[in-house]
Amino acid sequence: DTAVSQTPKYLVTQMGNDKSIKCEQNLGHDTMYWYKQDSKKFLKIMFSYNNKELIINETVPNRFSPKSPDKAHLNLHINSLELGDSAVYFCASSQVSGVSTGELFFGEGSRLTVL
Amino acid sequence: GENVEQHPSTLSVQEGDSAVIKCTYSDSASNYFPWYKQELGKRPQLIIDIRSNVGEKKDQRIAVTLNKTAKHFSLHITETQPEDSAVYFCAASKYGNKLVFGAGTILRVKS
Repeated sequence: DTAVSQTPKYLVTQMGNDKSIKCEQNLGHDTMYWYKQDSKKFLKIMFSYNNKELIINETVPNRFSPKSPDKAHLNLHINSLELGDSAVYFCASSQVSGVSTGELFFGEGSRLTVL
Repeated sequence: GENVEQHPSTLSVQEGDSAVIKCTYSDSASNYFPWYKQELGKRPQLIIDIRSNVGEKKDQRIAVTLNKTAKHFSLHITETQPEDSAVYFCAASKYGNKLVFGAGTILRVKS
């Protein structure tokens, strides 16, 4: 019973292509996130959605477009991929409102390699 | 916005020794300070957290201390074991807002 699942786990593609990563959580959380982890292991937040509403949008190129069809899903679409987009992308969720521990639950990560 | 600095970036200890990782944060309004452990090729997972109304928290071999005046918090691991080898991240947030992570510490426990 995976709490936060994301697909695909691995993605190898050419520069200029468009790709998507999907994420689903079955924890009933109200908030979902995308984090990028680069080769130096730094975890940087990209986006956050609370109940389908975008609440955090860090300085991310507009080639990256998140979409949240409902509060259990948050997808990430990337246009015109560049070499620098190569990284591991982690989806995460947490319960922000009401009774909550505030803990972030991460998916297994999607390793994107742009050639 | 919040800025979290973490030291050291790498730490090697002998099995059985203690390890200490330190973090400082910039936003005095932050009130939630978790620590995450990330094993090689795996997802980050919460190992312990502390809130601003508490100065210290322990869970078996790990403990976290918080000094709100100085705006720093630390992770202490005692009796280290090879399975403690991982990347450790500290983080800070105002409760309910985005979590800002430190740059991570690679801990190597040598047996």
